[in-house]
Amino acid sequence: GQNIDQPTEMTATEGAIVQINCTYQTSGFNGLFWYQQHAGEAPTFLSYNVLDGLEEKGRFSSFLSRSKGYSYLLLKELQMKDSASYLCAVRAETSGSARQLTFGSGTQLTVLP
Amino acid sequence: KAGVTQTPRYLIKTRGQQVTLSCSPISGHRSVSWYQQTPGQGLQFLFEYFSETQRNKGNFPGRFSGRQFSNSRSEMNVSTLELGDSALYLCASAPGSTSYEQYFGPGTRLTVT
Repeated sequence: GQNIDQPTEMTATEGAIVQINCTYQTSGFNGLFWYQQHAGEAPTFLSYNVLDGLEEKGRFSSFLSRSKGYSYLLLKELQMKDSASYLCAVRAETSGSARQLTFGSGTQLTVLP
Repeated sequence: KAGVTQTPRYLIKTRGQQVTLSCSPISGHRSVSWYQQTPGQGLQFLFEYFSETQRNKGNFPGRFSGRQFSNSRSEMNVSTLELGDSALYLCASAPGSTSYEQYFGPGTRLTVT
């Protein structure tokens, strides 16, 4: 099976930097994803890491260490609109080339003025 | 390009009934995955379809089933509804079975009374 852990809630100030951590345990690892979900809306894709290292995309960066089963999402220059739930998800090979995406419970980020 | 569409958006059913939800992927996308989202369990994978074939299935009872048509549209069916089936059901599409980026639809909010 798979186990994904991320903090339930985080609070940060507008303009600041926040790091949301995610640890996972899985077999057949095939990639780690970060999604953003605003209340009442569908998740939207933020980033994908399959190799170790940092992927930067504008104000958002995502890091992966496969040996440690660890990832983080870094949000810079926080804006009020960044208040949302951030979901860490791990994809694993199940059988053949079938892949299954397992989500963490999400981290509710609140950005304060 | 139009996004993923799901119908209906809201649905109220009573225990014991069955329900069918529909998902139309982004034009050209051949992979459709279904997820159940509840406050307690978060986002959980139901199944994935690619080219009309179920490629993977999550840990849900047999009351949950699905299918995909030749035009890539997908339906999921839940029979003998239980109160615990109340959830947001999300559909996500991807261009191919190996694509890493999924695009989520707005979801169908199912309430079982």
